Amino acid sequence: DQQVKQNSPSLSVQEGRISILNCDYTNSMFDYFLWYKKYPAEGPTFLISISSIKDKNEDGRFTVFLNKSAKHLSLHIVPSQPGDSAVYFCAASHQTGANNLFFGTGTRLTVIP
Amino acid sequence: ETGVTQSPTHLIKTRGQQVTLRCSSQSGHNTVSWYQQALGQGPQFIFQYYREEENGRGNFPPRFSGLQFPNYSSELNVNALELDDSALYLCASSFEGTGANVLTFGAGSRLTVL
Repeated sequence: DQQVKQNSPSLSVQEGRISILNCDYTNSMFDYFLWYKKYPAEGPTFLISISSIKDKNEDGRFTVFLNKSAKHLSLHIVPSQPGDSAVYFCAASHQTGANNLFFGTGTRLTVIP
Repeated sequence: ETGVTQSPTHLIKTRGQQVTLRCSSQSGHNTVSWYQQALGQGPQFIFQYYREEENGRGNFPPRFSGLQFPNYSSELNVNALELDDSALYLCASSFEGTGANVLTFGAGSRLTVL
């Protein structure tokens, strides 16, 4: 039972353009959402998060949007850079501070120079 | 500041054997979690240790067990290995009490069960 879904296994974007990665979830009890980035042969690294009391959080080139009614969140990267090429995982938890994260299957982003 | 280190990086076992994977948490972190990432899947929560006790567990059978030591290093033990246990095992550390779910992951131990 996949509670967090990333339906696009891959995405290719030109350098300088916007990358939009999408994530859907089914469990309405989730109240904290995170994005992790993973390079080959490395562990996932935290990128950005958002609490369910917000609908947007920005950190430099990265913005996460949350639509609770649609149970949907997205990660926007503007402008995209070749170094952003990685696998991006969406994750969710039942409570802030809990380490039991539910991950999606990931989206491989390729930024073309 | 050292990150999370895991050993071994790769190992091969046969069905029915037992395996121990090791993890050194990031300096200053007191909580460790273990995740299993099967091929083509996202990481799946196995369990979490805080103050040397398990305080959260995902949908994994008892043959998956762990330890956390006073220096916050940790072990994951898997008994009676099955073919489906083949996966990347990720250790993650964090500091309990920050109110955040931000985990620092190691690069993982890739287990192949034949």
